[in-house]
Amino acid sequence: DQQVKQNSPSLSVQEGRISILNCDYTNSMFDYFLWYKKYPAEGPTFLISISSIKDKNEDGRFTVFLNKSAKHLSLHIVPSQPGDSAVYFCAAYGTSGTYKYIFGTGTRLKVLA
Amino acid sequence: ETGVTQTPRHLVMGMTNKKSLKCEQHLGHNAMYWYKQSAKKPLELMFVYSLEERVENNSVPSRFSPECPNSSHLFLHLHTLQPEDSALYLCASSLTGSDYGYTFGSGTRLTVV
Repeated sequence: DQQVKQNSPSLSVQEGRISILNCDYTNSMFDYFLWYKKYPAEGPTFLISISSIKDKNEDGRFTVFLNKSAKHLSLHIVPSQPGDSAVYFCAAYGTSGTYKYIFGTGTRLKVLA
Repeated sequence: ETGVTQTPRHLVMGMTNKKSLKCEQHLGHNAMYWYKQSAKKPLELMFVYSLEERVENNSVPSRFSPECPNSSHLFLHLHTLQPEDSALYLCASSLTGSDYGYTFGSGTRLTVV
């Protein structure tokens, strides 16, 4: 059973527009969420996180929204730039549990110039 | 350079070979992880070491054998692998309690022939 789901395997967006990447989770014990960005031939790099006590966290062009009742989070990138083209992974963590993060399958974002 | 170094970057091995993957971090982190990334699947946690003690083993076949000789180094010993073990193997490290999740290495692309 996949506890963290990214249902869109790919997304194409025009440069300058908003990119919205979605993530759903099933385990209500998750209380901390992160987004990672991965370029080809590199490991994932941390992008932005949010704790369940918040519903929004912003860092420059990147904003993560959390809807706990819907068990849904989204990453907004605005304005999108060609350098944002990468695979984006959502990850969830239960701070009262073990060490592990549970990752989604990733969404490949392509920003068109 | 992410701070977590994995070698080799690419490895091709036969099913009867024995090889080892190496991971090294000098970030002062106290936990290290092996993840497997297969196409169109979530990142799969394989092993977790915290303070050099293995704290998690996610039902990984015995043909994968981890070793953590100290807090900066992590190995994954491979023997008699199967073609379906071909994947990207990612090492990560973290400081438990940090808000920044993991720092990943660039991975080893393993092909079993």
